[in-house]
Amino acid sequence: EAQVTQNPRYLITVTGKKLTVTCSQNMNHEYMSWYRQDPGLGLRQIYYSMNVEVTDKGDVPEGYKVSRKEKRNFPLILESPSPNQTSLYFCASSSRTGVNTGELFFGEGSRLTVL
Amino acid sequence: QKEVEQNSGPLSVPEGAIASLNCTYSDRGSQSFFWYRQYSGKSPELIMFIYSNGDKEDGRFTAQLNKASQYVSLLIRDSQPSDSATYLCAVNKWAGGGADGLTFGKGTHLIIQP
Repeated sequence: EAQVTQNPRYLITVTGKKLTVTCSQNMNHEYMSWYRQDPGLGLRQIYYSMNVEVTDKGDVPEGYKVSRKEKRNFPLILESPSPNQTSLYFCASSSRTGVNTGELFFGEGSRLTVL
Repeated sequence: QKEVEQNSGPLSVPEGAIASLNCTYSDRGSQSFFWYRQYSGKSPELIMFIYSNGDKEDGRFTAQLNKASQYVSLLIRDSQPSDSATYLCAVNKWAGGGADGLTFGKGTHLIIQP
């Protein structure tokens, strides 16, 4: 089954404790991206990757890091989480070839609470 | 600053009626347009895309695009309670080549009243 898998789905942590949210896709997609979604603010892009070893900042990259060492994986790293990073996070992937290359496939989301 | 504007709602529509969702965008060079549906607590899923001016129909859904007016809409005919969700408009500056050109609106919350 084609899917984007995120872990953990739910996490409560404390300020300053480093955490990683993993994302893996099995569709051989070149493009992967992280979004956060907050009430009233919609989906905001954090980082994206066009392919292995190629990453770039989105609209709200502060406080986050990413890496793309393998095509299927795109982890999101919070080195020192703060309460304003409490949010619902989505990983998404997309093909860069074909007809409908703007279609994003989303993971189920990771709800993060930073105390 | 590229922007995609949607009325946040809630938009309340009686069951069986037509729901009309609207979206305007600021980048005149935008090439492709997408509607995603997001149920509460779930991830967005694509329901329609449109590239050319005019209407595109898929079952009960019709997407309408007017590039001159920078306006895209989604019509849902014979609305069902299961259509209650938030609808996200997304605009891509690329006609092809990837989702890196996507900009999302904040979404319209649609409620279908039985």
